[in-house]
Amino acid sequence: DGGITQSPKYLFRKEGQNVTLSCEQNLNHDAMYWYRQDPGQGLRLIYYSQIVNDFQKGDIAEGYSVSREKKESFPLTVTSAQKNPTAFYLCASISGQGLRNTEAFFGQGTRLTVV
Amino acid sequence: DQQVKQNSPSLSVQEGRISILNCDYTNSMFDYFLWYKKYPAEGPTFLISISSIKDKNEDGRFTVFLNKSAKHLSLHIVPSQPGDSAVYFCAASARFGNEKLTFGTGTRLTIIP
Repeated sequence: DGGITQSPKYLFRKEGQNVTLSCEQNLNHDAMYWYRQDPGQGLRLIYYSQIVNDFQKGDIAEGYSVSREKKESFPLTVTSAQKNPTAFYLCASISGQGLRNTEAFFGQGTRLTVV
Repeated sequence: DQQVKQNSPSLSVQEGRISILNCDYTNSMFDYFLWYKKYPAEGPTFLISISSIKDKNEDGRFTVFLNKSAKHLSLHIVPSQPGDSAVYFCAASARFGNEKLTFGTGTRLTIIP
């Protein structure tokens, strides 16, 4: 059963702590993405990776870091430098470059709350 | 700079009638457009897409129309059903934009039984 899995579903962080959100896919997709959803602001791109060991900043990368050591995994770290981390985080994957008729598949999301 | 805009944050439609959701974009490099449906606390699911070489694409009750000159696309749902109540996002990508999807702010569709 192929898919994209995010964990945990809910995460609480104390101010000043770093936390890492997990994203794993077994779809053999090349490209993976992290988005953040806030009320009334749609989905904003944080980071994306089109190939292993390479990634690019999206529109709101400040305060976040990522790694892409394996094709299947694209973890996102929310650092203490992120001033407003409370949000719903979505991970997505796309099968490959040039396949223009392929949509992105999303995980179920992680809701991060700073306490 | 919002490159993909959905100017209606919400829309209510009677069950059985047509739902029309609109989306405008500003980046002329966008050449591939998608619609996603999202329930609360879940990831978006893909509905339908359209390439810029077409002006219409149908899939069952869902039809997407693209007007390139106006930089406008719309999603038609006919007939609307209660299960269609969700937030709908349009998204766009550019062939030379590393395939990243730029999303609109979403429209909450409520189907009234």
